[in-house]
Amino acid sequence: QQPVQSPQAVILREGEDAVINCSSSKALYSVHWYRQKHGEAPVFLMILLKGGEQKGHEKISASFNEKKQQSSLYLTASQLSYSGTYFCGTEEPNTGNQFYFGTGTSLTVIP
Amino acid sequence: DGGITQSPKYLFRKEGQNVTLSCEQNLNHDAMYWYRQDPGQGLRLIYYSQIVNDFQKGDIAEGYSVSREKKESFPLTVTSAQKNPTAFYLCASSIAGHELSFGLYGYTFGSGTRLTVV
Repeated sequence: QQPVQSPQAVILREGEDAVINCSSSKALYSVHWYRQKHGEAPVFLMILLKGGEQKGHEKISASFNEKKQQSSLYLTASQLSYSGTYFCGTEEPNTGNQFYFGTGTSLTVIP
Repeated sequence: DGGITQSPKYLFRKEGQNVTLSCEQNLNHDAMYWYRQDPGQGLRLIYYSQIVNDFQKGDIAEGYSVSREKKESFPLTVTSAQKNPTAFYLCASSIAGHELSFGLYGYTFGSGTRLTVV
């Protein structure tokens, strides 16, 4: 089942923070986060497997809530290079490896 | 460097033609995938393969076919039965994780093929 991402689009000024949410109506086995620049391939950012898990990559971090139905991606002190479309990908347990991507969140950072 | 190579980058198809998109990886990944990307719809799974000589349909397999004769290669054929083939096609691969997750370590994507019907 395709996860729901919010917001659909966000515009930030350099240095501002943003949060992107990814929600499922079912408990998840894992959540991935990817960033895609226009016309390029998505690039893997991180994976979260355990409820309550938090991970970070420089100023980009993510959490996976205890009930494992929602994940949030946090971008702090945004840089121009953070612009792109962010996708979450979710995997439900016992579904034969079914993996679904969300519809994406377009993030634009302006000077 | 290891990675996934998709070719061609741009492809034009006439009505009624079959076309084949190439995907090659040298990452020694077991699992390979084909996704279709349309504006505002995210990525939708066409086919995936977890092992050589075996593949499964994804959510939108109609009008597409694949083969997996070698671990490194997973070509996608867009047949004339696919009525709306214009899209951006992405190939991906991953390490085969444990039985519950083949995406356990994240997916590596190719740079994509943009297919246009003319």
